[in-house]
Amino acid sequence: QLWLQESGPGLVKPSETLSLTCTVSDDSISSNTYYWGWIRQPPGKGLEWLGSAHYRGSSYYNPSLKSRVTIFVDTSKKQFSLRLSSVTAADTAVYYCARTNIFGSVSPRWFDSWGQGTLVTVSS
Amino acid sequence: ETVMTQSPGTLSVSPGERATLSCRASQSVNSNLAWYQQRPGQAPRLLIYDASTRATGIPARFSGSGSGTEFTLTISSLQAEDFAVYYCQQYNDWPPLTFGGGTKVEIK
Repeated sequence: QLWLQESGPGLVKPSETLSLTCTVSDDSISSNTYYWGWIRQPPGKGLEWLGSAHYRGSSYYNPSLKSRVTIFVDTSKKQFSLRLSSVTAADTAVYYCARTNIFGSVSPRWFDSWGQGTLVTVSS
Repeated sequence: ETVMTQSPGTLSVSPGERATLSCRASQSVNSNLAWYQQRPGQAPRLLIYDASTRATGIPARFSGSGSGTEFTLTISSLQAEDFAVYYCQQYNDWPPLTFGGGTKVEIK
């Protein structure tokens, strides 16, 4: 059964870059059927999609984050990564990685498998 | 951006009763809508996609309906493990993919 696991620092200083990695347990990371995405949840709040990327190179990001976010897929390691630059306290959240299904389409649709999430706090 | 609005914010239901949750889109999303369940301290779990198709392993007591701008998630007979927060998400008009603010289903 597929599992996803986030890893990375739990504390990041303001103005620095947040970097997280998600490890995927199976070969679906190289499948045409899926994008690989990041979603975050500030403490006590709702869900915000950050972006999704495909192993062939295409990617989509939340316009609200402008150019601060980058997601890339490394099939050789069965991993995909998130980079969020110039962080502030507003970026404090639990960050989830998730497999994004494109069934019947060519673009990201729903999230069918999630990692357990990792809390990232932005503080000096 | 398509804004998703869920109601009510909190729903108090007794075990064994039916729960009806609503999700409204600011513009038509056709049937491009998913529902998720999030138990305390856990990641969200996909329940429904394409507005009414249950995901793999989801019990039949969960059903989704609607299209356009109005959607409903129904839990026919609430079990103890169903008390959680539920989110809708649209994938028709993007980026961004957007979620509703959530409905918390609590024990009455």
